Amino acid sequence: GQNIDQPTEMTATEGAIVQINCTYQTSGFNGLFWYQQHAGEAPTFLSYNVLDGLEEKGRFSSFLSRSKGYSYLLLKELQMKDSASYLCAPCSGGSYIPTFGRGTSLIVHP
Amino acid sequence: DADVTQTPRNRITKTGKRIMLECSQTKGHDRMYWYRQDPGLGLRLIYYSFDVKDINKGEISDGYSVSRQAQAKFSLSLESAIPNQTALYFCATSDSGQGNTGELFFGEGSRLTVL
Repeated sequence: GQNIDQPTEMTATEGAIVQINCTYQTSGFNGLFWYQQHAGEAPTFLSYNVLDGLEEKGRFSSFLSRSKGYSYLLLKELQMKDSASYLCAPCSGGSYIPTFGRGTSLIVHP
Repeated sequence: DADVTQTPRNRITKTGKRIMLECSQTKGHDRMYWYRQDPGLGLRLIYYSFDVKDINKGEISDGYSVSRQAQAKFSLSLESAIPNQTALYFCATSDSGQGNTGELFFGEGSRLTVL
């Protein structure tokens, strides 16, 4: 199985930067997904990291360290619409199916 | 129209009843999945299918069954619903083709309440 640990809840101010951390323990690691899920809606894809390092995509960036079993999602210039749950989901084994963490609920306030 | 469609979107039923949740997709993806989501527990995989003749159990398959009627259709059945199957159910698809990340595309969810 996989142990996935991410904070349950975070709060931040509009316009600020927030980093959501995720640690995982798995064998046969392939890569790691981040998904965003607004309340009552379906999760939507944000990023997929396979190699170590930082991948930037607009206001969102995702970092991976395979040796440390660690990833983070960095959100810049926070907007109210970024209030959502952020799901860390590492993939392992030949099937490449992600296992989801419990998610981090981010609250952005004015 | 949504690429991944789930029906029904909401259902209230009684303990012991048989329930079927249906999922259809127009994305042409080969892989389909059923997850359930409970508050505080995240998304957990129930069953998945990599092709029409392929069915695999996920993390929490007990009490559930599935049918992949065609590449575009994947249904989830609860033969005898019980209250702890009250949850939000998501169908998802992905493309196994080379060059794809394998990202999941989710339906809008089916909220099931078992009384």
